[in-house]
Amino acid sequence: QQQVKQSPQSLIVQKGGIPIINCAYENTAFDYFPWYQQFPGKGPALLIAIRPDVSEKKEGRFTISFNKSAKQFSLHIMDSQPGDSATYFCAEGYNKLIFGAGTRLAVHP
Amino acid sequence: DAGVTQSPTHLIKTRGQHVTLRCSPISGHKSVSWYQQVLGQGPQFIFQYYEKEERGRGNFPDRFSARQFPNYSSELNVNALLLGDSALYLCASSRRDVSSYEQYFGPGTRLTVT
Repeated sequence: QQQVKQSPQSLIVQKGGIPIINCAYENTAFDYFPWYQQFPGKGPALLIAIRPDVSEKKEGRFTISFNKSAKQFSLHIMDSQPGDSATYFCAEGYNKLIFGAGTRLAVHP
Repeated sequence: DAGVTQSPTHLIKTRGQHVTLRCSPISGHKSVSWYQQVLGQGPQFIFQYYEKEERGRGNFPDRFSARQFPNYSSELNVNALLLGDSALYLCASSRRDVSSYEQYFGPGTRLTVT
């Protein structure tokens, strides 16, 4: 079964820190890699996505780095805030998204 | 613009019963996908419908079925409920253009099977 392996499982940073969440994928046929943010009791919200023809994409404080040869991609959150405390999911695919297991991020004031 | 809407918000059912969950996509989106999210895990793909036809199916038993209506809204049906069906059921809509893969999720329906 295709998998997206996400790490770490949980992460604690201080306000202003730069949490980094990593994902490794298996299927090289896919060319769409989104990240979702989910707050308790809510549905996942699309945060940022990347195609493998670029190595980095920035949107506001969120940056995706993509390493096609290593089949890995990561999410960096610049100047993290307590309001960023949520669970983050990476995914791959087109119409059928395959999700990682999630990273629970806590940003302490 | 309204996002993806789902109903009901919460549902409690007994083992063996049947349940129907409903989803309305974002206006202009013709594709609806259903996902199951068990507590503490990432969403798992169940179905995708586009233009009222099933375009993809995940690894779920035949107790799970779905359909899409002419207005692009969708229903997910689960028969003979098991305790393990307790989860958050998410609906996502997308344009499904060649150039656009973005899927936008609704708030989900929390199903509890007792």
